[in-house]
Amino acid sequence: EPEVTQTPSHQVTQMGQEVILRCVPISNHLYFYWYRQILGQKVEFLVSFYNNEISEKSEIFDDQFSVERPDGSNFTLKIRSTKLEDSAMYFCASITGSGSDTQYFGPGTRLTVL
Amino acid sequence: AQKVTQAQTEISVVEKEDVTLDCVYETRDTTYYLFWYKQPPSGELVFLIRRNSFDEQNEISGRYSWNFQKSTSSFNFTITASQVVDSAVYFCALSGLSGGYQKVTFGIGTKLQVIP
Repeated sequence: EPEVTQTPSHQVTQMGQEVILRCVPISNHLYFYWYRQILGQKVEFLVSFYNNEISEKSEIFDDQFSVERPDGSNFTLKIRSTKLEDSAMYFCASITGSGSDTQYFGPGTRLTVL
Repeated sequence: AQKVTQAQTEISVVEKEDVTLDCVYETRDTTYYLFWYKQPPSGELVFLIRRNSFDEQNEISGRYSWNFQKSTSSFNFTITASQVVDSAVYFCALSGLSGGYQKVTFGIGTKLQVIP
């Protein structure tokens, strides 16, 4: 069964550094999402992406964040200058967009900012 | 706005007991989807079930069952004869058009501990 993949599984970085989290959505999917889960808290929506542009973003998704689909298969989340509070699990998800599908999540990338 | 409330933050049961996880939701959409996800200690989100708002039929899958009641905006999840492997955080979630296309809104999660 096709699945969403994410790399790396764990990323450790110094405060102020840029990080890029990578996701490979399921191949025939058209809508892509990033979510964040701070340790012990609920999963929160960050951004949705369709037709090569952001379709919606939350208030968490400020100017430090950007998303890109650089090559038709990868979907990336970039954090320009990481802060301690960016430490979280980041999940990628994708759907076909047919209106009746389930959002399957990737395994997540655990980001630790020191 | 969409909202999912899981009033039970932590539940402990002894193995083989039945346990019900509660979920109450709010949405102004007439068409929406409800989900349950399991998050084991390893951290991934495991999809368990999706329910459409127009299908109130309850569902059973092995030891798992779900009770969807539109009249009370609830979508409760019961594990029968719980096992230690059921220990995890369980998230109830909701998606609908008013919340953004297929964007999923999660509850805070219920941490289930099954004691041997």
